[in-house]
Amino acid sequence: EIVLTQSPGTLSLSPGERATLSCRASQSVSSSYLAWYQQKPGQAPRLLIYSASSRATGIPDRFSGSGSGTDFTLTISRLEPEDFAVYYCQQYGSSPLLTFGGGTKVEIK
Amino acid sequence: EVQLLESGGGLVQPGGSLRLSCAASGFTFSSSGMTWVRQAPGKGLEWVSVIVSGGLTTHYADAVKGRFTISRDNSKNMLYLQMNSLRAEDTAVYYCARVSRGAMDVWGQGTTLTVSS
Repeated sequence: EIVLTQSPGTLSLSPGERATLSCRASQSVSSSYLAWYQQKPGQAPRLLIYSASSRATGIPDRFSGSGSGTDFTLTISRLEPEDFAVYYCQQYGSSPLLTFGGGTKVEIK
Repeated sequence: EVQLLESGGGLVQPGGSLRLSCAASGFTFSSSGMTWVRQAPGKGLEWVSVIVSGGLTTHYADAVKGRFTISRDNSKNMLYLQMNSLRAEDTAVYYCARVSRGAMDVWGQGTTLTVSS
């Protein structure tokens, strides 16, 4: 059974800083099926990145994804006030069919 | 506008049943895989179930297998989740979402299920 581990659990940064979020899989994940989401309190998640590195429609280019195999990264180049939220990675295709990581909270320092 | 709208949540006693619905609009529902994802209070996202576009293939998380059934009516652009033998740990906000390229690109606003006596 594949497990996605996100680190750190909480990231305390200031607006304008760079955020680097990690997602590590217990087994190799197809890069075609690794996604990242942003969730703000009281809202549904929003797709940011699919296929490990492709930005979803309408997502600013300060968001980028990279990685392969078992190690994936979401980078926010310069944090805007609206970027402070919880971020989840997700894989599709391995058993179980679909899995989320535990999330990383990006908070204002 | 592409939209998903869940309904059917509420308060149910342990052991009870409930059916959630998700109305889709603004896209070709019959061509889309669909999924349910839930989020317990203060917790992360948990995948529940997925159904392919034609409805013939379904998959479930171990936590709900044998108790929940996902289905769809492509003629009505509707997705469903029949939940039986409900437990306190099923308490969560339930989201329906469209699956595209292994990711969930459209989400509903969620409907809340509370299982409590």
